[in-house]
Amino acid sequence: GAGVSQSPSNKVTEKGKDVELRCDPISGHTALYWYRQRLGQGLEFLIYFQGNSAPDKSGLPSDRFSAERTGESVSTLTIQRTQQEDSAVYLCASSFGPRRGGYTFGSGTRLTVV
Amino acid sequence: GQQLNQSPQSMFIQEGEDVSMNCTSSSIFNTWLWYKQDPGEGPVLLIALYKAGELTSNGRLTAQFGITRKDSFLNISASIPSDVGIYFCAGLYTGANSKLTFGKGITLSVRP
Repeated sequence: GAGVSQSPSNKVTEKGKDVELRCDPISGHTALYWYRQRLGQGLEFLIYFQGNSAPDKSGLPSDRFSAERTGESVSTLTIQRTQQEDSAVYLCASSFGPRRGGYTFGSGTRLTVV
Repeated sequence: GQQLNQSPQSMFIQEGEDVSMNCTSSSIFNTWLWYKQDPGEGPVLLIALYKAGELTSNGRLTAQFGITRKDSFLNISASIPSDVGIYFCAGLYTGANSKLTFGKGITLSVRP
């Protein structure tokens, strides 16, 4: 597609429920990144995909967080047993590869855990 | 881990003024980038710098990659109301699995 598409744009969920966040990267972009942005904060790295493998998962905050990617296409970030501290905007970005840094970001999914 | 420092957290300027933002790090990066984020949107790339000492302009924006590779600045000249937003610096140390490290951002307000 023309840009990075994320869905849903907003999600309100009850504490303890599982959520799935979706990212459609730009066609041809082999690298895909997930970042978390808490209110008034910078971007916190979660996980990086090159193709469908994840060489760097170092930013996932706990084992409640997982992500997968199908080929060089869609990625899903899953948060199990959500907690209120998970409330944030989850941003996805893609690029042609990790070396140049010119990521294109989606508009994010705003997750609110009540 | 690598950290990028941006301060102050907020800046308030008058329309037409120039503004300069700095970003520093304790670690070396070999790529520096500046992003702008509007409310409800993801960050958008403004300028990318790939060489120490490089000075690059994009319209009213000018950015420089510090010679020590541990800092960068962004200048905005003749500010206009649509310059309002959050400005993030980001650094990349390229390797096989490198990823961008972001500063906490500076929120810029422009008074008409």
